[in-house]
Amino acid sequence: GAVVSQHPSWVICKSGTSVKIECRSLDFQATTMFWYRQFPKQSLMLMATSNEGSKATYEQGVEKDKFLINHASLTLSTLTVTSAHPEDSSFYICSANGLAGAWSYNEQFFGPGTRLTVL
Amino acid sequence: RKEVEQDPGPFNVPEGATVAFNCTYSNSASQSFFWYRQDCRKEPKLLMSVYSSGNEDGRFTAQLNRASQYISLLIRDSKLSDSATYLCVVNKGSARQLTFGSGTQLTVLP
Repeated sequence: GAVVSQHPSWVICKSGTSVKIECRSLDFQATTMFWYRQFPKQSLMLMATSNEGSKATYEQGVEKDKFLINHASLTLSTLTVTSAHPEDSSFYICSANGLAGAWSYNEQFFGPGTRLTVL
Repeated sequence: RKEVEQDPGPFNVPEGATVAFNCTYSNSASQSFFWYRQDCRKEPKLLMSVYSSGNEDGRFTAQLNRASQYISLLIRDSKLSDSATYLCVVNKGSARQLTFGSGTQLTVLP
């Protein structure tokens, strides 16, 4: 299957700082990437969907000015948590689907996640 | 009503037991259905897709009832390594976005 990486795997930051999380598709072109958030003992909640070269579509209740998403290339999407606060502490996971040669993946491939702790 | 609802669990079963998980979904336009497993502090991994005809993969059997909007997962001969949280996942209509259930935690005991 296709491989998706995320960086960093964990980050601790002070309240008020901004944190950038990278999501990369390593062996396929990710035409669509998804960003999820998971709080402890809860399920994954979709935050936004991004298509390469266009603006992300945010789910209801997700502030687009706080969670900046950039999907400038077919292998990279970034999520920037701006002015992070303790309530933003969570597990952030990206997933991707797209193309590999002549094949179109319908399956979403998940990155390993980034654990953010805001002090 | 949640878009995807699952048995709350947790399920604690002995090795070798058979365990069944249930899930219902609210969007009748949903077209794709999956079971994922998620280990503690890890990303979810696809366990199997679910088809209307039912499908089996080794010890795992998934069933879909579109009329009742109901999905099930049966695990036979449970192994210790099956301990995880099982997530029922449904796509949003024809879109690619996935909606995750809250998950059911399974612990297989020696």
